[in-house]
Amino acid sequence: AQKITQTQPGMFVQEKEAVTLDCTYDTSDQSYGLFWYKQPSSGEMIFLIYQGSYDEQNATEGRYSLNFQKARKSANLVISASQLGDSAMYFCAMREDSNYQLIWGAGTKLIIKP
Amino acid sequence: ETGVTQTPRHLVMGMTNKKSLKCEQHLGHNAMYWYKQSAKKPLELMFVYSLEERVENNSVPSRFSPECPNSSHLFLHLHTLQPEDSALYLCASSPRGRGVNTEAFFGQGTRLTVV
Repeated sequence: AQKITQTQPGMFVQEKEAVTLDCTYDTSDQSYGLFWYKQPSSGEMIFLIYQGSYDEQNATEGRYSLNFQKARKSANLVISASQLGDSAMYFCAMREDSNYQLIWGAGTKLIIKP
Repeated sequence: ETGVTQTPRHLVMGMTNKKSLKCEQHLGHNAMYWYKQSAKKPLELMFVYSLEERVENNSVPSRFSPECPNSSHLFLHLHTLQPEDSALYLCASSPRGRGVNTEAFFGQGTRLTVV
């Protein structure tokens, strides 16, 4: 079974609009962490934001925020005021307390239109 | 400038060649990883080296051989590869091997093409 599901293979968004990238996860651990990474065409994975399962507040980092709904097991990434440079692949990942490795979603390709 | 450096950035090799990918991190991290990224597939963890453990993904073919001489350097030795091994190979490091808030830092990857 998929542990991380990103249902949007690709998205087009108009520049300056906000965009939400979906991520749902599956775990039986009580303690886990959720991550979002950006991968531009250059290939490097760039860390964007982290949310811990016990964090009561939604994480925010500049224009990035994480809409964490624990009961629904969702951790959507919200990018406000999108920019052309936001065009990239975006990956959601999870690290469980019982596991040593990051578990990755298949990614969402985001294209920002001028 | 990334703290994790991978060389080469691009590699084309024949199926009978032997080559090595190199990864170097200057972040003082204690864990390093090799990932394979194929088109339209989730990232696949190949190997983990950390102070706590060395972990291998048992599904990785023996034609891929990792080497970690110290905590700053990681190699992936390649021999008699197949065309389906063509992919982006990403190296990552993290402060430690475990912990839910352990973030991984990635290099820019090596784009490997097997002909």
